[in-house]
Amino acid sequence: SQTIHQWPATLVQPVGSPLSLECTVEGTSNPNLYWYRQAAGRGLQLLFYSVGIGQISSEVPQNLSASRPQDRQFILSSKKLLLSDSGFYLCAWSKGGGQPQHFGDGTRLSIL
Amino acid sequence: KQEVTQIPAALSVPEGENLVLNCSFTDSAIYNLQWFRQDPGKGLTSLLLIQSSQREQTSGRLNASLDKSSGRSTLYIAASQPGDSATYLCAVIGTGTASKLTFGTGTRLQVTL
Repeated sequence: SQTIHQWPATLVQPVGSPLSLECTVEGTSNPNLYWYRQAAGRGLQLLFYSVGIGQISSEVPQNLSASRPQDRQFILSSKKLLLSDSGFYLCAWSKGGGQPQHFGDGTRLSIL
Repeated sequence: KQEVTQIPAALSVPEGENLVLNCSFTDSAIYNLQWFRQDPGKGLTSLLLIQSSQREQTSGRLNASLDKSSGRSTLYIAASQPGDSATYLCAVIGTGTASKLTFGTGTRLQVTL
């Protein structure tokens, strides 16, 4: 069966520090991968998606970037965090073609 | 641009009641529709996927319906239990290669003893 792992679960970072969140999927190959952010009291916003290694699409202009160095690995990064980057970050995968998306447990990021 | 709305925003019911959560979307050109639940501070758990060619999908006490032409879906929960308390989200799956999700605003459900 397929599983998705995200880490860390919780992160507290100072403003201006770098960020790296990692997501890996097991049990499938060539998945579509997605990063979402859920800000406090707000809905889920798609940040990035990838349909293959090295292919990254950005949905909103922001202070973040994403990379897919391996087929089942998706990384969310920032060089300098802003207060507005605080939120709950979720990684998801699907096989595409209208198939369901499956989510990780999320990373709660607090910026001080 | 696809917009997804869920009504009501919050709902409190006594244990044992049957209930209906509503989801509406503005663009009927969807691939499929997916219902999720989210417990506080947790990720999303997929409940049901209903394909655009289907009208209903059932899993245990849950039944989801889809009327693509009118842009509506409902999630019916039978014999509600306190463990059903969570936020319920509907999301439409777009027809593009990436199968992107557009989420609704969510319904926060509380089932009381």
